Amino acid sequence: SSELTQDPAVSVALGQTVRITCQGDSLRSYYASWYQQKPGQAPVLVIYGKNNRPSGIPDRFSGSSSGNTASLTITGAQAEDEADYYCNSRDSSGNPYVVFGGGTKLTVL
Amino acid sequence: QLQLQESGPGLVKPSETLSLTCTVSGGSISSSSYYWGWIRQPPGKGLEWIGSIYYSGSTYYNPSLKSRVTISVDTSKNQFSLKLSSVTAADTAVYYCARVRYGDYVTVWGQGTLVTVSS
Repeated sequence: SSELTQDPAVSVALGQTVRITCQGDSLRSYYASWYQQKPGQAPVLVIYGKNNRPSGIPDRFSGSSSGNTASLTITGAQAEDEADYYCNSRDSSGNPYVVFGGGTKLTVL
Repeated sequence: QLQLQESGPGLVKPSETLSLTCTVSGGSISSSSYYWGWIRQPPGKGLEWIGSIYYSGSTYYNPSLKSRVTISVDTSKNQFSLKLSSVTAADTAVYYCARVRYGDYVTVWGQGTLVTVSS
């Protein structure tokens, strides 16, 4: 199986840009996807594939990848973006095993 | 619009078997592009994938849980189910059912159901 590593916590000033990263060997072969989770709610997919946003996700959310690191960038963070963010990718075996990162708590100051 | 709804007991005794069912509405569980999975989240902790099933019945389980997990599908009812045996307090979590694009990303989540393991 694989592991994905995220920083436990990140903060950003209102209106500024923040990058949340996810590291893992599987990311050399497969894209990361990103989820936003607010307290008491189910996660919501915000980025998938190379850099795709589901319908309804603001364009301030974007994704990128380099080597074994994937990044979620929020350009012009809003107060409502304060949440936990999780990355996931396919297991490096290629089988449909799902791997999640440990999550990053984003605080908007 | 596709919706998923978990159902099952909210309280399970230690050493017993946790059983949950996910009902899929607004779409067919027999879709060729997706797997159907279970994901859990212990209180205050991160997400953990439990396993996934294809409508044909092929299953894939988290190696750390594989010995205790069974996921099954009933296409006639548009449902899939989770059984987790020999539960302990460590299995207390919110359990989500989900539609998964292969192993790549979750496109639809259920609302989640809290299962507490306690005597």
